[in-house]
Amino acid sequence: AQSVSQHNHHVILSEAASLELGCNYSYGGTVNLFWYVQYPGQHLQLLLKYFSGDPLVKGIKGFEAEFIKSKFSFNLRKPSVQWSDTAEYFCAVIPFSGGYNKLIFGAGTRLAVHP
Amino acid sequence: GAGVSQSPRYKVTKRGQDVALRCDPISGHVSLYWYRQALGQGPEFLTYFNYEAQQDKSGLPNDRFSAERPEGSISTLTIQRTEQRDSAMYRCASSPGQVVEKLFFGSGTQLSVL
Repeated sequence: AQSVSQHNHHVILSEAASLELGCNYSYGGTVNLFWYVQYPGQHLQLLLKYFSGDPLVKGIKGFEAEFIKSKFSFNLRKPSVQWSDTAEYFCAVIPFSGGYNKLIFGAGTRLAVHP
Repeated sequence: GAGVSQSPRYKVTKRGQDVALRCDPISGHVSLYWYRQALGQGPEFLTYFNYEAQQDKSGLPNDRFSAERPEGSISTLTIQRTEQRDSAMYRCASSPGQVVEKLFFGSGTQLSVL
C-alpha cells in the first residue's frame, strides 16, 4: 500500500547532538512534502515544506530537510538540538495522483532531548 | 477567531450513542479538513471541504461517519452508533486557500467510547 514511513518512533538525544529523522514515501510522480511538529501541549504546526526548486529546504528553529527524489526520501535534520526541540515530528506528503489536497501523514517520531 | 477551535475538548460516550464534533476554522479559510489520530499513529485523513462543498470523503471509515459544513465555515463531524474502535483524537485543520500550503490545526477532540 502507498504510505509515508518514518523509521524511528522514538529518539533520545542529549543537547547539542545532531539530529536526523528519516522519512520515506512510496508515491510515484510529483509530491509536495512537509514536516509538522507538535510540542507538548500545543497544536500541530508546520515546520517546513518542499514544493519545488532547491531540494534542501530550511524551516523554523534551525531545522532543514533534504528531498532526494531517487530515494523517495525527505529527511529532517538539525545540527545541534536543544531541550526545547522535545516534541513529536510528523512527515507528510501530498501525492498529486491522489488529488492536490490530501495530506498523508507518517506515524510520527517522538524526540526527547535531555539537558 | 485567532485559531482553529474544536469542541468539545474531551468527549466520553457509551457505545451505541451518536456524537457530534464541532470545528470552527480560522475566519476566511476556504478549506477545512478532518483527521483522526489513534494512539501512536499519525493523523489519518478523513475528509475535507472547500467552502461548503465536500471534496473528498474517501477517508471516512464507514457510513456511520459523516461531515458537513453547510455555510462554508463551521463544520460538524458526526459519528452514529459509536463503537469502541472509534476512540481516538479527532483533529480539524483549515487552510487559507484551496491548495494546501499550510494547515492550521486545532487542539483536537479526544473521543472515548466506553
